[in-house]
Amino acid sequence: QLQLQESGPGLVKPSDTLSLACTVYGGSISSSDNYWAWLRQSPGKGLEWIGTTYYTGTTYYNPSLKSRVTISVDTSKNQFSLRLSSVTAADTAVYYCARKARAYDYQHDQWGQGTLVTVSS
Amino acid sequence: QSALTQPPSVSGSPGQSVTISCTGTSSDVGGYNRVSWYQQPPGTAPKLMIYEVGNRPSGVPDRFSGSKSGNTASLTISGLQAEDDADYYCSSYAGSNTWVFGGGTKLTVL
Repeated sequence: QLQLQESGPGLVKPSDTLSLACTVYGGSISSSDNYWAWLRQSPGKGLEWIGTTYYTGTTYYNPSLKSRVTISVDTSKNQFSLRLSSVTAADTAVYYCARKARAYDYQHDQWGQGTLVTVSS
Repeated sequence: QSALTQPPSVSGSPGQSVTISCTGTSSDVGGYNRVSWYQQPPGTAPKLMIYEVGNRPSGVPDRFSGSKSGNTASLTISGLQAEDDADYYCSSYAGSNTWVFGGGTKLTVL
């Protein structure tokens, strides 16, 4: 059964870069069907889609975050990663990685447990 | 890209039905039959409950149903059970490989 696990620092200083990784277990990140996404949920607020990647390196980003976001894939580690630059307190959130199963799917059917990242000095 | 609009809270007694609305625009909800719904009990990750407006993944009870009219999608839960007490989020494809979510609705089973 496919499982996703987020990892990375839980505390990031303002103006620094947030870096997280998502490891895929029970399946290959290079599966021709799957797309991989990052989402976040600020405390007490709704979900926000950050971006999606395919194992070939193709990426799609939320226009509101595009200037600060980079999502990449490391097939050797079966991981994909998120980098968010110039963070502020507004970037404090639980960050989730998730799967979109097929190119013609429009839902995220598998999610990691989430990891809380706090932006504070 | 603006967040979809959901009511902050709804409530119902066991056995009753509740409906949660999700309002967007012609650029997202109204433009595509690509609305999904997620259930999130406290402290857990979202779980897919409905996809493509009204389809249920295997394992989701048929008490959960979805529909759409114009720019508004709806999630209906019939025969409410205590375990349905959770936050619910809608999501819509918004074109150009982008997605938008709602602000979430807290369902309280009285």
